[in-house]
Amino acid sequence: DQQVKQNSPSLSVQEGRISILNCDYTNSMFDYFLWYKKYPAEGPTFLISISSIKDKNEDGRFTVFLNKSAKHLSLHIVPSQPGDSAVYFCAAGGWAGNMLTFGGGTRLMVKP
Amino acid sequence: NAGVMQNPRHLVRRRGQEARLRCSPVKGHSHVYWYRQLPEEGLKFMVYLQKENIIDESGMPKERFSAEFPKEGPSILRIQQVVRGDSAAYFCASSPGGGQQPQHFGDGTRLSIL
Repeated sequence: DQQVKQNSPSLSVQEGRISILNCDYTNSMFDYFLWYKKYPAEGPTFLISISSIKDKNEDGRFTVFLNKSAKHLSLHIVPSQPGDSAVYFCAAGGWAGNMLTFGGGTRLMVKP
Repeated sequence: NAGVMQNPRHLVRRRGQEARLRCSPVKGHSHVYWYRQLPEEGLKFMVYLQKENIIDESGMPKERFSAEFPKEGPSILRIQQVVRGDSAAYFCASSPGGGQQPQHFGDGTRLSIL
């Protein structure tokens, strides 16, 4: 059973436009959420996180939105740049945050 | 670069051999996590360790797999009597403490079983 799902395996966006990556979860015990970016042959790189007490967190071009009632979170990248092309994973943890459960990833392609 | 260091980056073993994967956390980080990624899948949690203690091994296969994080030296993930299904990328992450702190990942060890 997949507790964290990224239903779009890929997304293509024009440079300068907004990229929106989505993630759904089923476990109501999750209350800490993270987004990671991953290039081939490298490890995941932490981008941004959000605690369940918030519904939005912003860091530069990256904003994460959390809708607890819908068990849904999204990552917005504005403006998108070609260097953003990578696989993006959402991850969720419980109150202790120790064990992260990852989604299957979304491959983002930003076209120049 | 003072990030998480994993070695080797690539490891080839024949069926039945042992594989030892090493992880040195970010300096000052005392919490280490191991994850496995099969082709075309997300990362799956295996084990969470602090110095000299296994805190959560709920994701570890019951047989052949073990992990340690000794007082001195790197964390080790050991796979005994490897089988073809063990072929995967194994990632280590560390954090300065437990709780809601981001885990920072190494570049992984790609294990191939012949």
